[in-house]
Amino acid sequence: AQKITQTQPGMFVQEKEAVTLDCTYDTSDPSYGLFWYKQPSSGEMIFLIYQGSYDQQNATEGRYSLNFQKARKSANLVISASQLGDSAMYFCAMREGYGGNQFYFGTGTSLTVIP
Amino acid sequence: GAVVSQHPSRVICKSGTSVKIECRSLDFQATTMFWYRQFPKQSLMLMATSNEGSKATYEQGVEKDKFLINHASLTLSTLTVTSAHPEDSSFYICSARAGGLDNEQFFGPGTRLTVL
Repeated sequence: AQKITQTQPGMFVQEKEAVTLDCTYDTSDPSYGLFWYKQPSSGEMIFLIYQGSYDQQNATEGRYSLNFQKARKSANLVISASQLGDSAMYFCAMREGYGGNQFYFGTGTSLTVIP
Repeated sequence: GAVVSQHPSRVICKSGTSVKIECRSLDFQATTMFWYRQFPKQSLMLMATSNEGSKATYEQGVEKDKFLINHASLTLSTLTVTSAHPEDSSFYICSARAGGLDNEQFFGPGTRLTVL
């Protein structure tokens, strides 16, 4: 089974609107971390937000928030007030276990912000 | 956040030659470094994990004799693509983790390899 599933290959959003990028995960380890990265056309992976499996509250970082629903094993990224510079690939990733090394990446969602 | 650099950012080489890519952690000591490969419009695929001073651990299907990884110091890991072929053309990204830091891997900017 896929560890990380991103079902939206491409998404469009109007500038200044909010958008939700979906991510579901699969693990039997009670300790894990969930990450979102942005990859613009230049290629670098930019860390956006992190959610630990034991965190009680949803993570937020500026315009980014993570809608963590543990029972559903989902970790959707919400981008509020979209900007043209938000157009990029977005990857959801998971690290299993405390101190685990391997990151599992989803297939990514290409977000296009329309002026 | 911590800074990881990669060199070169782009490289074009002839088929049959070897190419070395460097990954450096600039402001922290990285006990573990990771090498990923990304084909166009696809996700990152982990190739190998390297720990300073020991042999790299390769993922299934990755040829260790073709992709030589050396993690000689706490701030430098190198990936050498030996006898490169056009199908090795890809985007190679490294990441680094500091010892004891649980949360995050810090990614390098990537190296685009084109084999003619």
